[in-house]
Amino acid sequence: ELKVEQNPLFLSMQEGKNYTIYCNYSTTSDRLYWYRQDPGKSLESLFVLLSNGAVKQEGRLMASLDTKARLSTLHITAAVHDLSATYFCAVDITSNFGNEKLTFGTGTRLTIIP
Amino acid sequence: DGGITQSPKYLFRKEGQNVTLSCEQNLNHDAMYWYRQDPGQGLRLIYYSQIVNDFQKGDIAEGYSVSREKKESFPLTVTSAQKNPTAFYLCASSIFGRAHSGANVLTFGAGSRLTVL
Repeated sequence: ELKVEQNPLFLSMQEGKNYTIYCNYSTTSDRLYWYRQDPGKSLESLFVLLSNGAVKQEGRLMASLDTKARLSTLHITAAVHDLSATYFCAVDITSNFGNEKLTFGTGTRLTIIP
Repeated sequence: DGGITQSPKYLFRKEGQNVTLSCEQNLNHDAMYWYRQDPGQGLRLIYYSQIVNDFQKGDIAEGYSVSREKKESFPLTVTSAQKNPTAFYLCASSIFGRAHSGANVLTFGAGSRLTVL
């Protein structure tokens, strides 16, 4: 059974600081996704990482994937209040039937303090 | 605009009643999914469908049922057999169904919040 773990579960950080969220998974996969969820809202896609060593950046967020270590990181640079949200990673396992389900991590609730 | 519409947004149910949550998409996506989210927790997969007239159980299917009679629609029924149905329910879709090696990016609806009284 695939397990996806995020670390930390809760994170409070001051504006302007840098921090990293970690996503570990238990089964071989080369497809990992990051989503953002604002309180009471739905999820929106942030990044799609499709190969070992993939790095994607948008604004103050940068995501990377190390398939050998089964680890993805989401790095936040010079945090601003607008980044306060819950961030989820999700891993995709392909079976004989092709694309199937994503397994989500537990989420990291990020709060940026002025 | 293309997207996923979930209804109702809020729903209250008495114990012992079945309720059906609607999910409609106009994205022409093959695959559709239902997830459950409990406060402070991640998403758990209830059911998913990769093609019309076919669906598979996810990790927590007990007490739920679905149908996929049309490509655009994937309703979820929460039955009285579901012991703790109070939760936030999210419907999602992705462009690819079976036998494709591309990225499986999900598009989510706005969610339905079910409360059992």
